[in-house]
Amino acid sequence: ETGVTQTPRHLVMGMTNKKSLKCEQHLGHNAMYWYKQSAKKPLELMFVYSLEERVENNSVPSRFSPECPNSSHLFLHLHTLQPEDSALYLCASSQVLWEKLFFGSGTQLSVL
Amino acid sequence: AQSVTQLGSHVSVSEGALVLLRCNYSSSVPPYLFWYVQYPNQGLQLLLKYTTGATLVKGINGFEAEFKKSETSFHLTKPSAHMSDAAEYFCAVSFAGGTSYGKLTFGQGTILTVHP
Repeated sequence: ETGVTQTPRHLVMGMTNKKSLKCEQHLGHNAMYWYKQSAKKPLELMFVYSLEERVENNSVPSRFSPECPNSSHLFLHLHTLQPEDSALYLCASSQVLWEKLFFGSGTQLSVL
Repeated sequence: AQSVTQLGSHVSVSEGALVLLRCNYSSSVPPYLFWYVQYPNQGLQLLLKYTTGATLVKGINGFEAEFKKSETSFHLTKPSAHMSDAAEYFCAVSFAGGTSYGKLTFGQGTILTVHP
């Protein structure tokens, strides 16, 4: 157990649905991250929050909308996704920005 | 721009054999280098990292890696593979300066299979 919890573990949604991914860290960290892991591709950084301020938005389509209400919680709101968005979405946190990331187990998303 | 290349998307070894996973990076400034491991159905876990100082870095589970500046490499090794080492391994790089300070770039990953 790394102290970073992601829910749900699996999600199947249609292209017109709206859903949210949740990440919670119990480590007292100040930075949180969303990564996308697709088959046969490197991890893609999506968003980074440091002290609840977004510090990185890596050219992610607007159908993905992050929210960081406090330093312990991070959400990824999803709407009108495409089948190519199917992937494993990983949340991570760190005490110091970019140093020693702790990852959650991910949400496996399938878009039909 | 920084980049990292892992040579070989799949590596297969016998239990007890040497494990060697290759990682090369490109950089115009001194890099910070990392190896992460991902076990099935889990997130990534930090194995080891190099920032400054000794170029041979020891990590968890008996793994180590050596930073070779002349070869721009950071290969991961373990003298004797265990069945429990079967996982996907990711090399990552970040840099201590410039506009991309600290930003991690991951390689494509290498799946390690260990045979009995």
